[in-house]
Amino acid sequence: AQTVTQSQPEMSVQEAETVTLSCTYDTSESNYYLFWYKQPPSRQMILVIRQEAYKQQNATENRFSVNFQKAAKSFSLKISDSQLGDTAMYFCAFMKEGSGNTGKLIFGQGTTLQVKP
Amino acid sequence: KAGVTQTPRYLIKTRGQQVTLSCSPISGHRSVSWYQQTPGQGLQFLFEYFSETQRNKGNFPGRFSGRQFSNSRSEMNVSTLELGDSALYLCASSLQTGLNTEAFFGQGTRLTVV
Repeated sequence: AQTVTQSQPEMSVQEAETVTLSCTYDTSESNYYLFWYKQPPSRQMILVIRQEAYKQQNATENRFSVNFQKAAKSFSLKISDSQLGDTAMYFCAFMKEGSGNTGKLIFGQGTTLQVKP
Repeated sequence: KAGVTQTPRYLIKTRGQQVTLSCSPISGHRSVSWYQQTPGQGLQFLFEYFSETQRNKGNFPGRFSGRQFSNSRSEMNVSTLELGDSALYLCASSLQTGLNTEAFFGQGTRLTVV
């Protein structure tokens, strides 16, 4: 069975600074996807960034980037130039690929990020 | 393009009652997944439907059931409600074709059992 662990329940960062959120996972699968989702107070889950396990290059989306270490099963999220609108709960998630892909996301417990002005 | 729509947004039910939640996916999406979110257990997968068939089910009792219609809309039913069923229920839809696996979430239904 797959598990996803986020060891930082809460974090805070000053506006315009950089923050890194940690995530580790456990799986015996070779092919899978990893995601970071953001859930603001409105409760709407929004995809922040996605990484395919077969890709060595780390994914980047504007101010958001990941550090994907497949051997270490680590998938951290870096937010640069933090903005007040980044305040939210962030979830790391895992999904199998291929024939095992049935739309099932396995989520970590989440990290609450507070961006301070 | 309309997003994932969940109705109702809020519900208050009494212990022992049953409840039905609805999810309308993004047009063209054939996969619908349901998740339960609670402060204690976090986000847990309930089940996933694809083309009217349940493809996967999480570790929830049989009181939790679902179905999907030919237009891909999905419903989730919880019978004999318990206080512990109070949660935010999230629905997600996706294309689930090839590498296109991005899940788009609705705003959820907040269920309170009293």
